[in-house]
Amino acid sequence: AQSVAQPEDQVNVAEGNPLTVKCTYSVSGNPYLFWYVQYPNRGLQFLLKYITGDNLVKGSYGFEAEFNKSQTSFHLKKPSALVSDSALYFCAVRGINTNAGKSTFGDGTTLTVKP
Amino acid sequence: GAGVSQSPSNKVTEKGKDVELRCDPISGHTALYWYRQRLGQGLEFLIYFQGNSAPDKSGLPSDRFSAERTGESVSTLTIQRTQQEDSAVYLCASSYGLANTGELFFGEGSRLTVL
Repeated sequence: AQSVAQPEDQVNVAEGNPLTVKCTYSVSGNPYLFWYVQYPNRGLQFLLKYITGDNLVKGSYGFEAEFNKSQTSFHLKKPSALVSDSALYFCAVRGINTNAGKSTFGDGTTLTVKP
Repeated sequence: GAGVSQSPSNKVTEKGKDVELRCDPISGHTALYWYRQRLGQGLEFLIYFQGNSAPDKSGLPSDRFSAERTGESVSTLTIQRTQQEDSAVYLCASSYGLANTGELFFGEGSRLTVL
């Protein structure tokens, strides 16, 4: 069975500082990895994905994530946080052999960026 | 439409009543998903439709839950004899194509409260 762990319920950073939101996964075979963001009272929005190729993936709003196969991780990063980045972030995984409907999501990490 | 549209946005019902939630996916998206998000938790897969194939219903929690989709258009999720534990946000998403590599586009959800 596939699974996703987001070990931190909350991450607090000061505006202008770098941020990291952690994600580790377990899946049979090669993973397809996704990050989504949920702003208050809004639906989830896609940020970025890793399918194949370069381990460093760049996405929307200046976010990036690094796929690390040996550590089974896909941490989300941003060099300089903005107050407007405050939101709930979800990591999701599918295996190459997984039914396309069954993306498995983590429980989410609440990011708070303070001015 | 421009995005995934869900209705109603909020629904309060009494225990034992039936409810119907509607999802209108992005035009041209062949895949449609329903997820449930309980407060403070991750997304729980419910059901997946792909084109005219038989849906993957493996995530439906009980026979009180059912969903239909006509072709590649609107879907309805029906919950019969609602229970208090059904209270959650029900999220619909759509994606384009058959591969596991496609990201999901989410609606803003239907918040169900069962009294």
